[in-house]
Amino acid sequence: TQLLEQSPQFLSIQEGENLTVYCNSSSVFSSLQWYRQEPGEGPVLLVTVVTGGEVKKLKRLTFQFGDARKDSSLHITAAQPGDTGLYLCAGARSGNTPLVFGKGTRLSVIA
Amino acid sequence: DAGITQSPRHKVTETGTPVTLRCHQTENHRYMYWYRQDPGHGLRLIHYSYGVKDTDKGEVSDGYSVSRSKTEDFLLTLESATSSQTSVYFCAVGRGGLSTDTQYFGPGTRLTVL
Repeated sequence: TQLLEQSPQFLSIQEGENLTVYCNSSSVFSSLQWYRQEPGEGPVLLVTVVTGGEVKKLKRLTFQFGDARKDSSLHITAAQPGDTGLYLCAGARSGNTPLVFGKGTRLSVIA
Repeated sequence: DAGITQSPRHKVTETGTPVTLRCHQTENHRYMYWYRQDPGHGLRLIHYSYGVKDTDKGEVSDGYSVSRSKTEDFLLTLESATSSQTSVYFCAVGRGGLSTDTQYFGPGTRLTVL
């Protein structure tokens, strides 16, 4: 059973469109992180959210942590080809447990 | 950039042979991790270390062992490689506590076991 479910698995959109990807669980997490991974490279941290209901913005990317700390979303406004990559969410059940990763959403933004 | 290198970057080996992957860091991070990434499974933790000679198992540790004799090096060993261990292996490092700590990933090692 996958602790963190990401949806959709694949997403192909045109440049300029908006999109949202989701990271859901039936378990409560003390924190959630979002990473982006480009082909042939390791993941790179985008953001960490720790408080239920928290919203963080990183340029055109908006991250939200659910009130119950069981889910998170990533919204991208006016997607660009440079946003193409694999988006991974990762969560920790408590402060001293290792991260568990979702399977990822593979995003392709077509110019 | 956390100064992480992995070696080798690519390796092809045969079933039953031992394989050691090396992760080297230059930034003195306390925590080091080994993950494997497979289609349909995402990133899964194999082993991690919270200091020299201090290691613990992750989600998929069977068939793997690790050693950390120096702060900067974390070795992953497959004692007798199997085809199911064909994967891309990533090393990661982090400074502080496990949950909110930023993990910095290396470039990966692509291992093929024939």
